Amino acid sequence: SQTIHQWPATLVQPVGSPLSLECTVEGTSNPNLYWYRQAAGRGLQLLFYSVGIGQISSEVPQNLSASRPQDRQFILSSKKLLLSDSGFYLCAWSKTPLPYNEQFFGPGTRLTVL
Amino acid sequence: SQQGEEDPQALSIQEGENATMNCSYKTSINNLQWYRQNSGRGLVHLILIRSNEREKHSGRLRVTLDTSKKSSSLLITASRAADTASYFCATGDNYGQNFVFGPGTRLSVLP
Repeated sequence: SQTIHQWPATLVQPVGSPLSLECTVEGTSNPNLYWYRQAAGRGLQLLFYSVGIGQISSEVPQNLSASRPQDRQFILSSKKLLLSDSGFYLCAWSKTPLPYNEQFFGPGTRLTVL
Repeated sequence: SQQGEEDPQALSIQEGENATMNCSYKTSINNLQWYRQNSGRGLVHLILIRSNEREKHSGRLRVTLDTSKKSSSLLITASRAADTASYFCATGDNYGQNFVFGPGTRLSVLP
């Protein structure tokens, strides 16, 4: 069966510090991968998606970047965090590109920037 | 732009009652999906209903889709305290773009 891992679960970082959040998927190959951000009490905002190694599409301009160094690894990064980067970050995967199939979500990383 | 909007924003019911949540969207869709999120956790997929379908069932869940009104409803029958969560609809167009989640409905089921 397929599983998706995210770490860390929680993170508190000072403004201006770098960020690296990691997501890995097991039990499938060639997954479509996604990074979402969720503000408190709100819906999800799609940040990045990837259909293959080295292929990254950005949905919104921001202080973040994403990379996919391996087939089942997706990394969310920032060189200098802003207060507005605080939120709940969710990684997800799907067998086919959106919207044609369901997505499977990881447990999320709660990021607080102070 | 494509946008799923759930209604109501919050719903509080007694255990055993039915809960109905609605989702409206603006443009043509390929499918509409409902997800559930327990507090502080990831989302779990509940049901996907395609644009040519009108109703789907999964256990105590019933989803309807009215493409003429650009709306969908999620019915949870005989609710339980464990159903307490936020419920989101998500839509995507036929071009594989504009996959958008609504702001969600927060459901509280009181024992």
